[in-house]
Amino acid sequence: ETGVTQSPTHLIKTRGQQVTLRCSSQSGHNTVSWYQQALGQGPQFIFQYYREEENGRGNFPPRFSGLQFPNYSSELNVNALELDDSALYLCASGTWLATDTQYFGPGTRLTVL
Amino acid sequence: AQTVTQSQPEMSVQEAETVTLSCTYDTSESNYYLFWYKQPPSRQMILVIRQEAYKQQNATENRFSVNFQKAAKSFSLKISDSQLGDTAMYFCAFRDYKLSFGAGTTVTVRA
Repeated sequence: ETGVTQSPTHLIKTRGQQVTLRCSSQSGHNTVSWYQQALGQGPQFIFQYYREEENGRGNFPPRFSGLQFPNYSSELNVNALELDDSALYLCASGTWLATDTQYFGPGTRLTVL
Repeated sequence: AQTVTQSQPEMSVQEAETVTLSCTYDTSESNYYLFWYKQPPSRQMILVIRQEAYKQQNATENRFSVNFQKAAKSFSLKISDSQLGDTAMYFCAFRDYKLSFGAGTTVTVRA
């Protein structure tokens, strides 16, 4: 049990819609990262937030955006959903140290029809 | 950009036996951190073991140990005395400020 929670567990949307995924970080953690994991593949880094500001981004278009709140909860927003956005979305929390381990939530399974 | 390569898509091992998963990576940095994560069918990504690149001693956590070869940029995971609960997908990951993952190795432990 990592203490990192995500909601919802599963979600089905249609192409063109918008979606918001939520993550609640472990107490004491001030960074949160989001990853996209396509079926049978390794997770791909979307972006990271530190003290409510984005401070690193992977190769994802601007329609992927996020927020981090003072209570260390976080959101991932995806606009104009495409079929290829179907994946498991993982959030991970940690502290701002390169040595620190990131702890993952259970993920949200998004299906785009 | 860092790349992580896991060349074994699937591995099968008999219960109580040993299995070794391979991982290679590419980086120009001298100080970094390497991880093995386990993802069972429940999807929860669980930390198995961590290695700091500046430490020459290989990390060990109970039945899990690594063989870290910095010059060769190799980071293999050995699972000893395999148990049915070890059945999962295993990911090697490199960390700078983010984690870069390999494609994963599916490990199946047979009774």
